[in-house]
Amino acid sequence: DGGITQSPKYLFRKEGQNVTLSCEQNLNHDAMYWYRQDPGQGLRLIYYSQIVNDFQKGDIAEGYSVSREKKESFPLTVTSAQKNPTAFYLCASSISDNTGELFFGEGSRLTVL
Amino acid sequence: AQTVTQSQPEMSVQEAETVTLSCTYDTSESDYYLFWYKQPPSRQMILVIRQEAYKQQNATENRFSVNFQKAAKSFSLKISDSQLGDAAMYFCAYKPLMNRDDKIIFGKGTRLHILP
Repeated sequence: DGGITQSPKYLFRKEGQNVTLSCEQNLNHDAMYWYRQDPGQGLRLIYYSQIVNDFQKGDIAEGYSVSREKKESFPLTVTSAQKNPTAFYLCASSISDNTGELFFGEGSRLTVL
Repeated sequence: AQTVTQSQPEMSVQEAETVTLSCTYDTSESDYYLFWYKQPPSRQMILVIRQEAYKQQNATENRFSVNFQKAAKSFSLKISDSQLGDAAMYFCAYKPLMNRDDKIIFGKGTRLHILP
């Protein structure tokens, strides 16, 4: 079945360590997105990519980095510079028809101890 | 700046009853899309319903329908015959139509509880 796979589902890390969250899609979508979800905050955009080898900062990009070397993959690295990394991270993709419909993964819960 | 506001952080409804979730938005654009997304406890977000601003007819998907009031910039979601599986966070979202690089803007969500 086509869809978006995020891994790991749960991740625990010590403060100061970089962590990378995986996002893979087999929907042949051009655009991919990373959102952060905190209670009462809704979804906030971290980074997005409209095409391979290109990506743009979202509203809260500081302390995060991404790459888009393949159409199917859009990994997110949470660096030690991110002041409050404990959160739920959602990856999404969309086709480039400007309709805006997003397809989401199941999310990754990162807890920094 | 474009914003999306969901004024009800939580709501409850009795099973089989009807409930309406509110959403207002602010924009100077005339063409845009509006969405309601559902995030059940399993966490995977799915699209419930979409409305194109240039269409006057309110979108409907089975038990889900919207009341789109363009002049008032209001986009409420009505769930009829509520079922236990409707329990979830519901997010209202907005996207301008003209610029494909414009990002989708989400509200902060409404948590819906279904009472058996």
